[in-house]
Amino acid sequence: QQPVQSPQAVILREGEDAVINCSSSKALYSVHWYRQKHGEAPVFLMILLKGGEQKGHDKISASFNEKKQQSSLYLTASQLSYSGTYFCGTEIRSSNTGKLIFGQGTTLQVKP
Amino acid sequence: EAGVAQSPRYKIIEKRQSVAFWCNPISGHATLYWYQQILGQGPKLLIQFQNNGVVDDSQLPKDRFSAERLKGVDSTLKIQPAKLEDSAVYLCASSFGTGDYEQYFGPGTRLTVT
Repeated sequence: QQPVQSPQAVILREGEDAVINCSSSKALYSVHWYRQKHGEAPVFLMILLKGGEQKGHDKISASFNEKKQQSSLYLTASQLSYSGTYFCGTEIRSSNTGKLIFGQGTTLQVKP
Repeated sequence: EAGVAQSPRYKIIEKRQSVAFWCNPISGHATLYWYQQILGQGPKLLIQFQNNGVVDDSQLPKDRFSAERLKGVDSTLKIQPAKLEDSAVYLCASSFGTGDYEQYFGPGTRLTVT
């Protein structure tokens, strides 16, 4: 039931782009994205609710394909501050509690 | 706006001892969550409260873990007795409501069981 994230780790140079994928075996109601820096609490990035919806947050955007039960997080022109571990949290359609199941995380390292 | 507060930040105990964690959510947030995060993994929901009622505790090891949220505000999570595999960061989060609302996480309590 845990969503699968890919890749597990990414190393980038400043200014490069990255895509992080999140795939579920269950029909999804929503996908949440969080970033966690080492030793800190996860910080909310965005929520995607509708099939095909796309949202943006500075130079970070995401898409949600409800039919494919997948979401992707796009980081463009990456900055050093983007380094951290990215988690997707999925809410399955049959849940009426808003419970999130988090993926295992994707570690992103941005180098100068 | 004050964030989610947790204490203690660090705790080291021996196996079979008991430990308690405290969480104060953001004012006005009806939903409170306790997560367990083992090193290198994503947060795993242990229990979710809506006001002072339990919404989901399906992954809470009820033989050793307990949680309460009296008066729908502060919450405590207790482990008794602790096992080695309980070593993890325990995160408390709160949100205005369930589902479509972002969750705000506290700094966490790092528990080491020796």
